[in-house]
Amino acid sequence: AQSVTQLGSHVSVSEGALVLLRCNYSSSVPPYLFWYVQYPNQGLQLLLKYTTGATLVKGINGFEAEFKKSETSFHLTKPSAHMSDAAEYFCAVSNPDTGNQFYFGTGTSLTVIP
Amino acid sequence: NAGVMQNPRHLVRRRGQEARLRCSPMKGHSHVYWYRQLPEEGLKFMVYLQKENIIDESGMPKERFSAEFPKEGPSILRIQQVVRGDSAAYFCASSPPGREQYFGPGTRLTVT
Repeated sequence: AQSVTQLGSHVSVSEGALVLLRCNYSSSVPPYLFWYVQYPNQGLQLLLKYTTGATLVKGINGFEAEFKKSETSFHLTKPSAHMSDAAEYFCAVSNPDTGNQFYFGTGTSLTVIP
Repeated sequence: NAGVMQNPRHLVRRRGQEARLRCSPMKGHSHVYWYRQLPEEGLKFMVYLQKENIIDESGMPKERFSAEFPKEGPSILRIQQVVRGDSAAYFCASSPPGREQYFGPGTRLTVT
């Protein structure tokens, strides 16, 4: 079985500060991992994904995430927060061997303080 | 290549009516997923379909909800005899086999 835990349903950072959104997963096999962003009243947009290869993955809008197998984590970071980063962020995991079922975390709402 | 299309974007229904939500996947995508997002909650998986087949409906309520993805045309999520608790945003996503999911803009259902 697979699952995702996002620690912190609400995160606030100052503009220009580091953004760190946490995601831990459980999976019996090497997973595929994803981060999505949702702006108000919109659908989800893919930020970045890890499938195989390099464990540090760079995405859009300056975000990146590192797959750490030993810690079963896939935390999302951005060096300097911008006001436009305020949104809901979802981590997701899938098992490439058993199909396309995605398991989403409950989301983290990011607030950027000017 | 157009993205995932959902219509209507907003739907208002009175209690007891039927709601039909449509999803057209991206061109070339054979897998469709439906999710429900309640206010202040995350995404809840409902159902995963391929053309003419339901692969996983473990997230679907046992009654009143059904989904289909016919050989031709969009995927349909159907809610019969809607109740106030059905008010939510319903998102559709599509993907090619074994790849990431692309989401539509959602349908916001309001039951009055």
